[in-house]
Amino acid sequence: AQRVTQPEKLLSVFKGAPVELKCNYSYSGSPELFWYVQYSRQRLQLLLRHISRESIKGFTADLNKGETSFHLKKPFAQEEDSAMYYCALLNTGGFKTIFGAGTRLFVKA
Amino acid sequence: DAGVTQSPTHLIKTRGQQVTLRCSPKSGHDTVSWYQQALGQEPQFIFQYYEEEERQRGNFPDRFSGHQFPNYSSELNVNALLLGDSALYLCASSSVNTGANVLTFGAGSRLTVL
Repeated sequence: AQRVTQPEKLLSVFKGAPVELKCNYSYSGSPELFWYVQYSRQRLQLLLRHISRESIKGFTADLNKGETSFHLKKPFAQEEDSAMYYCALLNTGGFKTIFGAGTRLFVKA
Repeated sequence: DAGVTQSPTHLIKTRGQQVTLRCSPKSGHDTVSWYQQALGQEPQFIFQYYEEEERQRGNFPDRFSGHQFPNYSSELNVNALLLGDSALYLCASSSVNTGANVLTFGAGSRLTVL
């Protein structure tokens, strides 16, 4: 079954510290993966997608097919990064996006 | 551009009733997907519409149905409401021309079933 696993429900770090939000997936073939973010009182929105290989707001995510992972990283966390982060996988056929359970990131001053 | 707009924002229904939720996609988008997000849970895919046809369906009963209009707007209908249908219903639009896989979400319609 195609699945996304985010093992941490809550991650708390201090401002300026590195942050890594973990994401593992189950998929046969070449997956298309995303990170979506929801800031307080805002809509769910795309943060980045692996095929773009971009850095958005200082975040990067590298696809590791050997470990079936797509961890989200930022070297220096900011308070405004506090939000709910969802890792997501596009299913075979390309019409259904499967979301992980999400990780709430809390960046402390 | 207002982005994806959904209505109503909030609504309260009783068990057994029927509800219709509406969505207008972002300008330039032609594909609409619906998700159910229960409190504290991740969004769950209900179905996707493109060219007025249901293209894929998630694991939801037939009580959940939808429609897409020629102007790309969409409706989600839920019949015979159950208490467990209480959730935030999210509409997301995308475009086959600019990456059908990237979703732009609306603010959602919060349904409470009593």
